Amino acid sequence: DAGVTQSPTHLIKTRGQQVTLRCSPKSGHDTVSWYQQALGQGPQFIFQYYEEEERQRGNFPDRFSGHQFPNYSSELNVNALLLGDSALYLCASSADRALTPSIFGPGTRLTVL
Amino acid sequence: AQSVTQPDIHITVSEGASLELRCNYSYGATPYLFWYVQSPGQGLQLLLKYFSGDTLVQGIKGFEAEFKRSQSSFNLRKPSVHWSDAAEYFCAVGPRNTGGGNKLTFGTGTQLKVEL
Repeated sequence: DAGVTQSPTHLIKTRGQQVTLRCSPKSGHDTVSWYQQALGQGPQFIFQYYEEEERQRGNFPDRFSGHQFPNYSSELNVNALLLGDSALYLCASSADRALTPSIFGPGTRLTVL
Repeated sequence: AQSVTQPDIHITVSEGASLELRCNYSYGATPYLFWYVQSPGQGLQLLLKYFSGDTLVQGIKGFEAEFKRSQSSFNLRKPSVHWSDAAEYFCAVGPRNTGGGNKLTFGTGTQLKVEL
């Protein structure tokens, strides 16, 4: 079992650009959550997808959007990138109908110049 | 609003010494509780979790944690630290609902350094 996988590993963008990050959940998991971890901070919840819909959202602007596909994989899109969007973006998966903790992927390091 | 406090930003211990990392939370009701570990440049690895039942929970790598409802605490312990335990440790809480993987609130982390 590959666990949670994310791509790409690293990404460099410039201000104003748009970025798409990808996540494949652990086998058997149907729920995907995205977190932003700024340097020296704990992860902050962005949003969660279940049954291809956004189910919960944290305090992030509409520039952050996502999608979940029928195979449960997910994308995180960020528009109009700001310098402050530079962070490690973590994807976590879990199984909605089972008492399962979130399992995290290795993350995507986004640098905005 | 819910919050998690990890009062120790940095902790240094000698290899073989015991370890306790503190975690306090503020939440409307007893949440689900977790400890994760993060090595440099890596994602988060689950060390242990508390959903219900016995308030002393065992995790991987010889770690344990004790849930104390009266103190709103979930401190992480290890009787003998190994050099490979050097990493950042995060306490997290989540709401009790259908699953254990919903919207986690994390503390700011404790950086553990192990002296040989």
